[in-house]
This record gives sequence, structure tokens and C-alpha cells, in this order.
Amino acid sequence: AQKVTQAQTEISVVEKEDVTLDCVYETRDTTYYLFWYKQPPSGELVFLIRRNSFDEQNEISGRYSWNFQKSTSSFNFTITASQVVDSAVYFCALSEYTGGFKTIFGAGTRLFVKA
Amino acid sequence: DTEVTQTPKHLVMGMTNKKSLKCEQHMGHRAMYWYKQKAKKPPELMFVYSYEKLSINESVPSRFSPECPNSSLLNLHLHALQPEDSALYLCASSHPRGGDTQYFGPGTRLTVL
Repeated sequence: AQKVTQAQTEISVVEKEDVTLDCVYETRDTTYYLFWYKQPPSGELVFLIRRNSFDEQNEISGRYSWNFQKSTSSFNFTITASQVVDSAVYFCALSEYTGGFKTIFGAGTRLFVKA
Repeated sequence: DTEVTQTPKHLVMGMTNKKSLKCEQHMGHRAMYWYKQKAKKPPELMFVYSYEKLSINESVPSRFSPECPNSSLLNLHLHALQPEDSALYLCASSHPRGGDTQYFGPGTRLTVL
């Protein structure tokens, strides 16, 4: 069965600090997809990154970076030099085939970045 | 253009009302989704349409009735809702290939009185 765990419910940092959001997943499939989404207070879910299970390359996009490790079933997200605009809820999600492709979301991590 | 639009933005309805939520995308996606999100919770999948056919129904009560009139439009018809159905309803679309990125609309915030 699918499961996504984001153990950090809330994180508070001061602007310019680096912060890492943890994501641990469970799946029986060898083919699956992992995502990170950002949900600002406005409510819209904004896509940040997608990884498939065969691509363990880490990725950097500006201040964002992602560390995918199949050995530990983790897909962690780091924001470098955080800014107030990064304040949002961040969801990690897993998509796998169970009679149809379904996506489940972790509980989310609420990030507060203080000026 | 990765835009999914939803109307209305806010909706207040009584338990005896009938209303509809609308979702539209023009990205050529052939899979569309409805999610329900309660406050401080993650989105929960309700329905998936693939090539205009309902492919996944997550045991949603029949007072929610989805409809996909064409490849760009997705509706959610609401009837005899309960106060606990108050939530943010999110629409998303993607290519129907497995694992493709879902792009979300801004949501409709529904309040049932």
C-alpha cells in the first residue's frame, strides 16, 4: 500500500536560513513517481518537481534542491537562503498504479519564514 | 500555459440546494481530477476522468456527481450536501500517462450551511 510520511508538521525559520523538509514514502511497486507541491495561503497547489523511481539524480533549481534516495525511501526538499515568500504548506506526493494511477499526498509541512 | 480555472471561487449553499462546480483547462490534457481538501489536511482524491470516462471513484457519496462533457471541462454537481462537506474543492489535469504531473486550479471554497 502507498504511504507518504512528512513527519515535520510545522517548521519556523528566520529569513536566509536553509531548511530541509523531509519526505519518506512506502510502496510495493518498482515504478512510481514522486512530487513536491507548494500551497501558499491563496490555496492553489503549485507543482515544484517530479521524479520517477528510476531517476535518482538529485536536482537543483535556483534556491531549491531535492535529494532522492531509494535506499532510504526518502525524497527530501531543501530551500537555501529562505525568503518570506517561501512561507507555505509543502506537500510530498506519491503516484503509483493500483488499477489506475492514483496520487496520495503526505500530511504536509507548514513552513513559516520570518523576516 | 499551465492554467486550470475553477468557478466559482467561493460558494455558500444550504443542505437542500443543488449547485455545480466547474473546471476548465486548455492544455490538451486528457485526464482530469477532483480533490477535496479540509482545513490543515492534504488533498484527498475523489474522482478521476481519463479520456472523458470516469476511471476512478474513491467511494464518494452519491450527493457528489461528476461530469466530463468534453476533454476541456469537468463539473462536479452537488445535491443535498452536509455541513461536513464544507471544504476546498480542487480540480487538476494531466496527461493520462501514468505518473504525469497534475496541474491544479485555485479551488472552490465551499461552505454548506
